[in-house]
Amino acid sequence: GAVVSQHPSWVICKSGTSVKIECRSLDFQATTMFWYRQFPKQSLMLMATSNEGSKATYEQGVEKDKFLINHASLTLSTLTVTSAHPEDSSFYICSAVPTGSSQYGYTFGSGTRLTVV
Amino acid sequence: SQQGEEDPQALSIQEGENATMNCSYKTSINNLQWYRQNSGRGLVHLILIRSNEREKHSGRLRVTLDTSKKSSSLLITASRAADTASYFCATANQGGKLIFGQGTELSVKP
Repeated sequence: GAVVSQHPSWVICKSGTSVKIECRSLDFQATTMFWYRQFPKQSLMLMATSNEGSKATYEQGVEKDKFLINHASLTLSTLTVTSAHPEDSSFYICSAVPTGSSQYGYTFGSGTRLTVV
Repeated sequence: SQQGEEDPQALSIQEGENATMNCSYKTSINNLQWYRQNSGRGLVHLILIRSNEREKHSGRLRVTLDTSKKSSSLLITASRAADTASYFCATANQGGKLIFGQGTELSVKP
C-alpha cells in the first residue's frame, strides 16, 4: 500500500530557530500534500495544501511567512517552522494523495512532535 | 470553524461490547472517511463512504451516512482492548481538502 514517510518523528529546538519537517511519498507520486497541526487532546487542523511546482494554499489564520512550505518534487514536501516559539509546539502531520487518483483514503505520515524550549 | 462535531467526545466500554460514534459536518461532501489514531501516532484510514452511499461494512466496522442530516456514524462491533484509540471522521470536498471532526476517544477495558 501507499506509504508516506515523515521525518523527523520528534524534534526539540530553541526559541527563535527554524525547524524543517519532511514529508515523502515512498511508492507513489503526490501532486498534492496536506499539512496538519494537532494540539494535545484535540483534532487535526488543516494548515495548508502543498502543490508540486506552485505556491502552497494556506488556511485562514495560518501565517504563510512563519510556516514555509516547499513542494519541489512529486514525492517530497517540506514544512519549515521559522523563528519557532513555544506556542508552536505541537504535533505536525502530513498526508498525501496519489497523483491522478480520485479522493480515496489519504495516506498519512506518522507525524512530527515539535517542542520549542 | 473548519471542524464538524463528533459525539461522544469520550467513550468507555467493556471488551465485547459495541461502540458507536457519531459525526456531523457542515458542508456538502464528496465522501466521508473515518480514521483511527493511537496516542501520539499518525492516522490510519479505516473506511470511506461516498456521498451516494448510505451504509458500508468492513470487518467489524459499519458506517452509515445520512447526507440530508449531514451526519455519519461508526459502529465497532465486538470491541477489543486493541481498539482503544481516538477515532476521527473527515470529510472531503471538491477541492480535495480533508477536514476532521473533533474526534471520539474510545477506551475498551479488558
